[in-house]
Amino acid sequence: AQTVTQSQPEMSVQEAETVTLSCTYDTSENNYYLFWYKQPPSRQMILVIRQEAYKQQNATENRFSVNFQKAAKSFSLKISDSQLGDTAMYFCAFLNYGGSQGNLIFGKGTKLSVKP
Amino acid sequence: DAGVTQSPTHLIKTRGQQVTLRCSPKSGHDTVSWYQQALGQGPQFIFQYYEEEERQRGNFPDRFSGHQFPNYSSELNVNALLLGDSALYLCASSNTGVYQPQHFGDGTRLSIL
Repeated sequence: AQTVTQSQPEMSVQEAETVTLSCTYDTSENNYYLFWYKQPPSRQMILVIRQEAYKQQNATENRFSVNFQKAAKSFSLKISDSQLGDTAMYFCAFLNYGGSQGNLIFGKGTKLSVKP
Repeated sequence: DAGVTQSPTHLIKTRGQQVTLRCSPKSGHDTVSWYQQALGQGPQFIFQYYEEEERQRGNFPDRFSGHQFPNYSSELNVNALLLGDSALYLCASSNTGVYQPQHFGDGTRLSIL
């Protein structure tokens, strides 16, 4: 069974600085997707960035980028130029490429606070 | 373009009761997935519906059941409520096919007294 582990329950960063959130996962599959979701107090889960396991190039979306280390089963999220609106829970998630689209497996989350 | 809508926003029930939560998918989506998010935890997959059939199910008891209607909207039913069923219930919709991103609703906060 796949598992996703986020070892940082809480983190804080000053506005405009850079922060990295950690995620490790365990799977015997070779083809899969990895995601970072953001959940602000409004509760809606918002997709931040995704990475296909077969792609060696790390995904980037504006201020958000990932460091995907397949052999180490590590998938960290870097947020550059942090903004107050980045304050939220961040969840790392795994999806088996060959499986149903429904079975996203989430970590327990990291609560990120951006301070002015 | 309306996103995923869930109702009600918040619900309070007592142990032993039954509850129905509702979800309307994003326009153009045909697949609906349900997740349970306990306080301080990540969401856990309950089940997924496509073409009015349950396509996949997570590790949840039979007290959790669902339905999908011809217009792709969906319901989640929970019978014989337990205190441990208190959680945020999230609905996500997507298109079928090779990976299509899931769009989440704001969730229904269910509190069991």
